[in-house]
Order: sequence, then C-alpha cells, then structure tokens
Amino acid sequence: DTGVSQDPRHKITKRGQNVTFRCDPISEHNRLYWYRQTLGQGPEFLTYFQNEAQLEKSRLLSDRFSAERPKGSFSTLEIQRTEQGDSAMYLCASSPSVGISDTQYFGPGTRLTVL
Amino acid sequence: AQKVTQAQTEISVVEKEDVTLDCVYETRDTTYYLFWYKQPPSGELVFLIRRNSFDEQNEISGRYSWNFQKSTSSFNFTITASQVVDSAVYFCALSEGDQTGANNLFFGTGTRLTVIP
Repeated sequence: DTGVSQDPRHKITKRGQNVTFRCDPISEHNRLYWYRQTLGQGPEFLTYFQNEAQLEKSRLLSDRFSAERPKGSFSTLEIQRTEQGDSAMYLCASSPSVGISDTQYFGPGTRLTVL
Repeated sequence: AQKVTQAQTEISVVEKEDVTLDCVYETRDTTYYLFWYKQPPSGELVFLIRRNSFDEQNEISGRYSWNFQKSTSSFNFTITASQVVDSAVYFCALSEGDQTGANNLFFGTGTRLTVIP
C-alpha cells in the first residue's frame, strides 16, 4: 500500500510570490486533510475534504490560502502573496470516511521557507 | 472547547530505562478519540494508537503501553526498555465527534524524547 505523498518536499520562495503544494492520498481514502506545523508546535488543522467537497476550513486559512480536490483524488494547497509568517511545514493526511473513528495517515510534509 | 496538554516539553532517558509521556485533554463531547503520533527527525508523523472514549482498557503493543483514564482526562504513553530509535517528538491528539463525522485532530505541543545510548 502506497502511503500519502506530497510534492515538493521543500520550497523556498520570496515574499509576495505564489506557491502551490500537491498531496496524493492513500488510494480509496475519501477524506483528505491539510495541517500546518510551525517550529516547536503541534500540527494545526487548516481544512479537509470529503471526496471533492471542502467541508471545513479553519480560521487559520486566510483569503490568501485556497485548497482544491477537483476529482476527489489528489489535492492542491495554494498560498498567494506569501508572507514570512507562512513559513512552516504543510502536512497532508488522509483517512477512510467511516464516522469519526478513522485514523489519519500523514505524508512527509512540504517545508516552506519564505524569504 | 477542546484542548490537549503535554506538559513535558523535553525528556531525556538512558537507553533501557522506562519512560512515560503525559497527555491531558479537555473536551465537552462524550464521544471522542485520542491518538498518539511519533515524529522522528525525518519529520513524518507516524500513527501509534487510537482510543475511543468508550473504551478505557489499557493497551500494550510490544514495548509500548497506553493508560487511558477518563476520571483524570489523561491518556499517558509508556515506553518500556527505551531504545535510541525511540528518540523523536511524540504528539497526543484529540478528535471530537459531531453530526458530520468531521474528525480533524487537535494536537498537543509535543514531547521531545531523547534516548541516550
């Protein structure tokens, strides 16, 4: 079974630029989550999808952030006009959609550095 | 509101010692799930265990064991005979139930465990 994959693993960008990250979940996992993790902290929830529908967004997800999962398979997270405060590890996780008991399996993350 | 507290920021033990990582949670829900994840230096979060609020049985898996006590809202994790490979940051997380079945995780701030050879 292939795990969750994320691309790229590292991204360095200049302030003001747009960046896009991709997440490929475990096949047949209906739910896909995005989290952000800053240094010394636990991951913080950003948003999640049930198939292609985006069902919940955290208040952390400002207007500069947008996420899509167009065909219910892979997902993209775009950050527009990046700021230095966006520097973090962006984690993707997936789970099967059976109630709330399902375990989320995480990808390796994309580390974003905004200069 | 939900909250997960891991009061131990860093712990160091000598190899083969036992170590317990503490986790205290807050939730108003009667249905919820608790998790432990390991984050080694490589950065990827590795799932260790899931426990639901209706099952207070302790669990043992090899050198790992978990003690869930609803009376004290705690879900502690013990590693027996620690090994250098256990060195990592360990996160406790809470997932609450709701009608949509949403289960985004609320994480604690983690405990960094260093096992000294």
